[in-house]
Amino acid sequence: GQSLEQPSEVTAVEGAIVQMNCTYQTSGFYGLSWYQQHDGGAPTFLSYNALDGLEETGRFSSFLSRSDSYGYLLLQELQMKDSASYFCAVVAAGNKLTFGGGTRVLVKP
Amino acid sequence: TAGITQAPTSQILAAGRSMTLRCTQDMRHNAMYWYRQDLGLGLRLIHYSNTAGTTGKGEVPDGYSVSRANTDDFPLTLASAVPSQTSVYFCASSDRVQGGQSAQYFGPGTRLTVL
Repeated sequence: GQSLEQPSEVTAVEGAIVQMNCTYQTSGFYGLSWYQQHDGGAPTFLSYNALDGLEETGRFSSFLSRSDSYGYLLLQELQMKDSASYFCAVVAAGNKLTFGGGTRVLVKP
Repeated sequence: TAGITQAPTSQILAAGRSMTLRCTQDMRHNAMYWYRQDLGLGLRLIHYSNTAGTTGKGEVPDGYSVSRANTDDFPLTLASAVPSQTSVYFCASSDRVQGGQSAQYFGPGTRLTVL
């Protein structure tokens, strides 16, 4: 089976940088994905890491270390609209996802 | 393009009753998925379908059934609802399941309350 751990909440100010960690234990692993979910909304895809290293997309970067079973999502130049929950998800065979419990990010002015 | 639509938006259901949650996608994606999300928690996979005519069990399949008669539709049925099935249900789709990850696209969700 799979299990993932994420910190429950992070608070930061506008313009700051926030890092959200994700550790996982898995019996089958293709990669690690990240999804954003605003309150009352649907999850939306942010990024995917299959190999070790950093992937950057605009203000978002995601990192994976397969040997450490660890990844993180980095948000730079925080904006109020970034207030949301962020979920890491292990991608297994058949593109099936197992989600962590999510990190709630609160951005303050 | 609508993407993925789900119906109903919300529903209150008496325990013991049956209900079908509808999901339709217009992206011609091969794979479709059903998740449930309990308050303050992550999503858990209920059932999935890699292609029309095939289905599989996810992490929490008990009490639910699915069918995939065509590419676009993937209904989820609760045969006899119980209060523990109170949750928000999300349908998702992706365009491939082989050769690496493909982003999953989620519908707006159905909020179900079983009393």
